[in-house]
Amino acid sequence: KNEVEQSPQNLTAQEGEFITINCSYSVGISALHWLQQHPGGGIVSLFMLSSGKKKHGRLIATINIQEKHSSLHITASHPRDSAVYICAVRSRGGADGLTFGKGTHLIIQP
Amino acid sequence: KAGVTQTPRYLIKTRGQQVTLSCSPISGHRSVSWYQQTPGQGLQFLFEYFSETQRNKGNFPGRFSGRQFSNSRSEMNVSTLELGDSALYLCASRRTSGSGEQYFGPGTRLTVT
Repeated sequence: KNEVEQSPQNLTAQEGEFITINCSYSVGISALHWLQQHPGGGIVSLFMLSSGKKKHGRLIATINIQEKHSSLHITASHPRDSAVYICAVRSRGGADGLTFGKGTHLIIQP
Repeated sequence: KAGVTQTPRYLIKTRGQQVTLSCSPISGHRSVSWYQQTPGQGLQFLFEYFSETQRNKGNFPGRFSGRQFSNSRSEMNVSTLELGDSALYLCASRRTSGSGEQYFGPGTRLTVT
């Protein structure tokens, strides 16, 4: 069973700061997902990665398969980025569905 | 294209009752996965259906079951409800089973009293 650890659990930053959220996992994966959840519950899929790096607007996600580690970066952070960011992995074989981290609660202050 | 829809959005049930939740995937998506989210355990995988067949199952008791219809709509059922079943139940759809980006519905908030 894959174990997914995220850090930090909570992060408060000022508008404009560069944000990094980390995710590590214990067993080889076929894909890693970064999700965003706003108050009220709705979840949006930000990235799906199996290698390398992806960028979408101010968001960048990287993954190092050898080190079993991924990072989500937010450049020029804005109060609307305030949300819970969740890392999820699908183990090779995928028989267990997605395994989720506990999430990082991000608050961006104006 | 319409997103994933879930009904009902909110539900209050009593211990011992049963409940059925519904999920309509994005048109063309044939895989539907169900997840439970609680403050204590976070998000946990319940099961995945593809082409009316259960493909994967998480570590939940047999009281949790599901099914998928020929139009890809899915239902999950929880029998003999317990207080600990109070949670946000989310479904997500994608085109195929095994891989690919998932699109989440808004969830059903179940409260068991």
